[in-house]
Amino acid sequence: EVQLVESGGGLIMPGGSLRLSCVGSGLIFTDAWMSWVRQAPGKGLEWVGRIKSNSYGGTTDYAAPVKDRFIISRDDPKNTMYLEMNSLRVEDTAIYYCTTGTVFDQWGQGTLVTVSA
Amino acid sequence: DVVMTQSPLSLAVTLGQPASISCRSSQSLLHYDGNTYFYWFQQRPGQSPRRLFSRISNRDSGVPDRFSGSGSGTDFTLKISRVEAEDVGVYYCFQATHWPLTFGGGTKVEIK
Repeated sequence: EVQLVESGGGLIMPGGSLRLSCVGSGLIFTDAWMSWVRQAPGKGLEWVGRIKSNSYGGTTDYAAPVKDRFIISRDDPKNTMYLEMNSLRVEDTAIYYCTTGTVFDQWGQGTLVTVSA
Repeated sequence: DVVMTQSPLSLAVTLGQPASISCRSSQSLLHYDGNTYFYWFQQRPGQSPRRLFSRISNRDSGVPDRFSGSGSGTDFTLKISRVEAEDVGVYYCFQATHWPLTFGGGTKVEIK
């Protein structure tokens, strides 16, 4: 059974930085493309970004609202994906979900990021 | 960006009755490789989303067969043949044919 566990969320002031982690188990993490999807309070789902497996270059793609501020990386020996969030804005407040692939067949439980003064 | 428009925004259904959700995309979702990268997700209250269908009509593991997905091009439908209490939640359509990837705004299903 695939399990994805996110951590690292919390309260952060506008302009600050935060790093989220996602640990995967029950899958061959080295081969997995991984994504982040977020959900603002009471709102719908928004794709944030994706990282390919290292065998595909480990390249990343980002949604326009986070491009140049967020960075996705991975540490395969630790079965972990990261989301480094910089220059945080109030509108980045959301639950951040870790998901598998580009079409999200498995989801974590999410971690809440609150950006507020 | 491809805009995914769902209707209705909300739906109140009597237990045991059918329900239907529509999703329309602003561009055709038929990829040049011949596939249509269109998906449905369910999010029950207080839970993470769960994928129901991939590529229009391929039911994910554990999804009851009272759910069905259909459509092509720009018009897609999710149907529930007989709504059960556990079907309450918000349903989202999603496309992965065009970048950036985009979701519909969601349709809330509740029991009448």
